[in-house]
Amino acid sequence: QVTLRESGPALVKPTQTLTLTCTFSGMSLSTSAMCVSWIRQSPGKALEWLARIDWDDAKYYSTSLKTRLTISKDTSKNQVVLIMTNMDPVDTATYYCTRTLSRFLGRDKEVGIDYWGQGTLVTVSS
Amino acid sequence: QSVLTQPPSASGTPGQRVAISCSGSSSNIGSNFVYWYQQVPGTAPKLLIYRNNLRPSGVPDRFSGSKSGTSASLAISGLRSEDEADYYCAAWDDSLSNWLFGGGTKLTVL
Repeated sequence: QVTLRESGPALVKPTQTLTLTCTFSGMSLSTSAMCVSWIRQSPGKALEWLARIDWDDAKYYSTSLKTRLTISKDTSKNQVVLIMTNMDPVDTATYYCTRTLSRFLGRDKEVGIDYWGQGTLVTVSS
Repeated sequence: QSVLTQPPSASGTPGQRVAISCSGSSSNIGSNFVYWYQQVPGTAPKLLIYRNNLRPSGVPDRFSGSKSGTSASLAISGLRSEDEADYYCAAWDDSLSNWLFGGGTKLTVL
């Protein structure tokens, strides 16, 4: 059974840097095809994908936020860390950690998100 | 504005069939699998459909997905009150190297 859990501060001040940790079990980021993505959802808004890190350390970032994001992994600890700089009140959201699969199925390429953490609410306010 | 386009709302009465559309482009839906998620307010999204039309274990067969070209659709038959939720389509985009979500469709069971 795959489980993911997000942890980090509930409150950050504007201009501060946010560090979120995803701790997972039931999967390994040293296994081919395994990846972790971060997704957020501002209150009342749609889901927004932020970043992804793959088993081979490939990294992908949202085109609109890439200058502020850094994603990294610690395979031995089963953890993925997301860093977001220069936080603003518009970054107030629930941040989700998810399992992503990236692989080839025959001639078809599969990239998909299946398991989600429960999410952690981050409020940006002075 | 989301790159994947969904209607903001849909509705139906118990027992009815409703369909939610998702429109994209050749770099996302046109060349990758489509996923659908159900989100009850206050909870994390739940995978409903993967690889265009497959259901994870535990998802009722009332839910079905399809894809044609650069569009996809989620159909819910035998509508039930517990189906009232937000529904999101999603797919990887090869040009952006980003995972994209639709703007979400709020389903109301009248």
